[in-house]
Amino acid sequence: GEDVEQSLFLSVREGDSSVINCTYTDSSSTYLYWYKQEPGAGLQLLTYIFSNMDMKQDQRLTVLLNKKDKHLSLRIADTQTGDSAIYFCAETPYSSASKIIFGSGTRLSIRP
Amino acid sequence: DADVTQTPRNRITKTGKRIMLECSQTKGHDRMYWYRQDPGLGLRLIYYSFDVKDINKGEISDGYSVSRQAQAKFSLSLESAIPNQTALYFCATSDLGTSHNEQFFGPGTRLTVL
Repeated sequence: GEDVEQSLFLSVREGDSSVINCTYTDSSSTYLYWYKQEPGAGLQLLTYIFSNMDMKQDQRLTVLLNKKDKHLSLRIADTQTGDSAIYFCAETPYSSASKIIFGSGTRLSIRP
Repeated sequence: DADVTQTPRNRITKTGKRIMLECSQTKGHDRMYWYRQDPGLGLRLIYYSFDVKDINKGEISDGYSVSRQAQAKFSLSLESAIPNQTALYFCATSDLGTSHNEQFFGPGTRLTVL
C-alpha cells in the first residue's frame, strides 16, 4: 500500500539548518512534495521533485531524494522564525496520478 | 480575494445533527477534494471530484456525502454527525493541465461535534 511517514516534531535554533525527513513505501511514485501549513491556514506547496531527480534547490530550500531507500528530505538553510510551521511530506502514486498521499506532518519550532 | 474559500470557518454542533460544509473556488480548476486533518494523522482524503458529474470516494468516506453543484462549488455533508468527526476539514483544488498535480487549499473549517 501507499504510506508516507515522518517524525512529528523538530526543534532548531534560529540561524541553523533544519532537516526534515520522510520515508515512503510506493517505489513508483511520480512526484514527491513538501507542503507547508502555517498556523490557522491551509497547506501551501513549498516545493516538489520529480521522481527521476536526486536533488532540487530553490533559494534556502534543498530537497534530496534517495529512491533506493525511499527517503525524501527537506533542508532549510538559515532557519528563521517565519519558518515555524507544520511541514507535510507527500507523494503522488503512479497508480493514481490525480491523488496525493500525505504524511502526518512535522511541526518545526524555532528556538532563539 | 482568496482563491479557495470555505464556509463556515468554525462550527460547533451536536451529535446526530446534519451539517454541510461549503467550498467555493475562483481558480477555474476542474478537480476538487475534501480532506480531514487530525493531529498526528496528517490529511486523509474523504471525497474527490474531477468534474461536475464525477464523484469518487476517498479513503474515509463513511459517514460523509458530497455534492458538486457547479465547477466552482463542492459541498461536504455529515448526515448525522458523531463526536469522532471532530476535526479540521480542508477543501482543495487542482488543475487537470498541471503536470505535477499541485493542490491549492482553502483555509479550513474547524468542526466540533459534542
